[in-house]
Amino acid sequence: EAGVTQFPSHSVIEKGQTVTLRCDPISGHDNLYWYRRVMGKEIKFLLHFVKESKQDESGMPNNRFLAERTGGTYSTLKVQPAELEDSGVYFCASSQGRGLYEQYFGPGTRLTVT
Amino acid sequence: QQQVKQSPQSLIVQKGGISIINCAYENTAFDYFPWYQQFPGKGPALLIAIRPDVSEKKEGRFTISFNKSAKQFSLHIMDSQPGDSATYFCAASRNRDKLIFGTGTRLQVFP
Repeated sequence: EAGVTQFPSHSVIEKGQTVTLRCDPISGHDNLYWYRRVMGKEIKFLLHFVKESKQDESGMPNNRFLAERTGGTYSTLKVQPAELEDSGVYFCASSQGRGLYEQYFGPGTRLTVT
Repeated sequence: QQQVKQSPQSLIVQKGGISIINCAYENTAFDYFPWYQQFPGKGPALLIAIRPDVSEKKEGRFTISFNKSAKQFSLHIMDSQPGDSATYFCAASRNRDKLIFGTGTRLQVFP
């Protein structure tokens, strides 16, 4: 069974540009989470989808971040326009159900904003 | 405000030694405390987890000790091996929902 995949693995963009990160969860997993780790700090929750619905987006830093999960399958996280402080590693995780199931993490996308 | 505090930031242990990583939490509503292990280029992977109704959980060489009154929990790695070299994150959640992570501990085990 394929794990959680994320694309790209690494992205370098200039301040003011737009970047879109993609996450493909494990097949059949309704729950999808986005997290971010800024260098040296904790991994922080960004938002949680249940199928195509946003269940909790309390961790989204500001309105420059837009997450979507069309059809309840893969998810995208768009940053527009990117700022220097957006640099970090963005992780996606999925779980079969909410509350009782382990979250499986993808390898992350390292975003560098210069 | 950081809800889960983790220490130390880095740890160097000789092969065969015991590695100990500590975490403290604030929110008494947390009811699930997992530890994640992350190797370079990979995402965090669940290593072991505990619920607050038990004080200790052991899986092989890995043990979680939990102190509910002190709001602290720790990971002990017995007989540490070079293959254990990784970054370890403690986390906490309520109803195993969104995870609140510590800042991570980079463990290096030297032969």
